[in-house]
Amino acid sequence: DTGVSQDPRHKITKRGQNVTFRCDPISEHNRLYWYRQTLGQGPEFLTYFQNEAQLEKSRLLSDRFSAERPKGSFSTLEIQRTEQGDSAMYLCASSQGGPRNTEAFFGQGTRLTVV
Amino acid sequence: AQTVTQSQPEMSVQEAETVTLSCTYDTSENNYYLFWYKQPPSRQMILVIRQEAYKQQNATENRFSVNFQKAAKSFSLKISDSQLGDTAMYFCAFIDSNSGYALNFGKGTSLLVTP
Repeated sequence: DTGVSQDPRHKITKRGQNVTFRCDPISEHNRLYWYRQTLGQGPEFLTYFQNEAQLEKSRLLSDRFSAERPKGSFSTLEIQRTEQGDSAMYLCASSQGGPRNTEAFFGQGTRLTVV
Repeated sequence: AQTVTQSQPEMSVQEAETVTLSCTYDTSENNYYLFWYKQPPSRQMILVIRQEAYKQQNATENRFSVNFQKAAKSFSLKISDSQLGDTAMYFCAFIDSNSGYALNFGKGTSLLVTP
């Protein structure tokens, strides 16, 4: 296992289109996180899963955003009716969970450009 | 709400010199974890160093060390013997056990190491 992988690395879409991103976490990690990072800012938390359960969602996650993690393995993040303000880097991270396994391992991200 | 503040948007240091990056945070929790993450240009974010709030001893990892002042809610990163490969964005981050271990990041400090 080579770490967290995200696909695609880059996505350009027209405003109003739907896009879906995929994240494959490290296989033994039961926690999976999605973050959004805009230029000049630190990553902002969007949502997290423990196994297949989505346990927390940020207020940043509008109703146009939906995330799934079927079977507790890979995760998808879908954005419907994209807007220019959705342009950002979308980062996925995974961790083993628990107080002794707090290190999050990040993927390289998916850069979304909405034109 | 928890906040993380990095007051230095950009810093520069010469190779082999020492540099300190500042971070302050705000929380009402007593049990939490602090991190410094490094994000090299166009590469994924990686963990540099971690500090548990209940530990009084400052964490060290080779050339990287922290100065953790719990009462002042300060968590600075010292990089000794700076190397060109240290050039990156550095993010201070915070989690507590009540948040599902989702990271709360500062805005980052861009560090440039010059020859």
